[in-house]
Amino acid sequence: GAGVSQSPSNKVTEKGKDVELRCDPISGHTALYWYRQSLGQGLEFLIYFQGNSAPDKSGLPSDRFSAERTGGSVSTLTIQRTQQEDSAVYLCASSSLGSSYNSPLHFGNGTRLTVT
Amino acid sequence: AQSVTQLDSQVPVFEEAPVELRCNYSSSVSVYLFWYVQYPNQGLQLLLKYLSGSTLVKGINGFEAEFNKSQTSFHLRKPSVHISDTAEYFCAVSASWGAGGTSYGKLTFGQGTILTVHP
Repeated sequence: GAGVSQSPSNKVTEKGKDVELRCDPISGHTALYWYRQSLGQGLEFLIYFQGNSAPDKSGLPSDRFSAERTGGSVSTLTIQRTQQEDSAVYLCASSSLGSSYNSPLHFGNGTRLTVT
Repeated sequence: AQSVTQLDSQVPVFEEAPVELRCNYSSSVSVYLFWYVQYPNQGLQLLLKYLSGSTLVKGINGFEAEFNKSQTSFHLRKPSVHISDTAEYFCAVSASWGAGGTSYGKLTFGQGTILTVHP
């Protein structure tokens, strides 16, 4: 079946511009995650959506970052007034959670953002 | 909150040699533990996970890991590596069911260990 789809795969933008990154999770997955992967920084948690609960935004690095998830499915990560330090690969993942936690995170291939 | 420390950023090893990638975690509640692998130019995929039960967990591609609660460790091992095992490996932790509250399911990752297998 279809996996997690992210678009665009690559994005080059000028400093100060806004960007939107899109994530289509696996159908039926209730949990959706955004992570940022920078060279030497590992995977940095950004935000987590679980069902109808309020999202966990504790990882968003500044108020320039925001995310929404519409209809419990597609998610958009928005970065306003991009800075060069925002350059990274932005990864989206989804999973189907339950008390047995049988579903691992399924990752998309990421969006590589370059801010010039 | 949970945190993960991967003690080695890079591990070079020769083909057919054994390897151990180290992972230590910190948490005030009980946890689930995971290892993910990222091959060059690919997304992350699950290698193995510890949820409960036997502390020795076997995963794909001949990897295994042992959960040691007293040492808060979850080291990844393989007795004989192949060139194709060259990749970046990530250890991750989440609060277990009933312990994580509204953050149940949220994974915290370590900084990754790049395993390079030489012929």
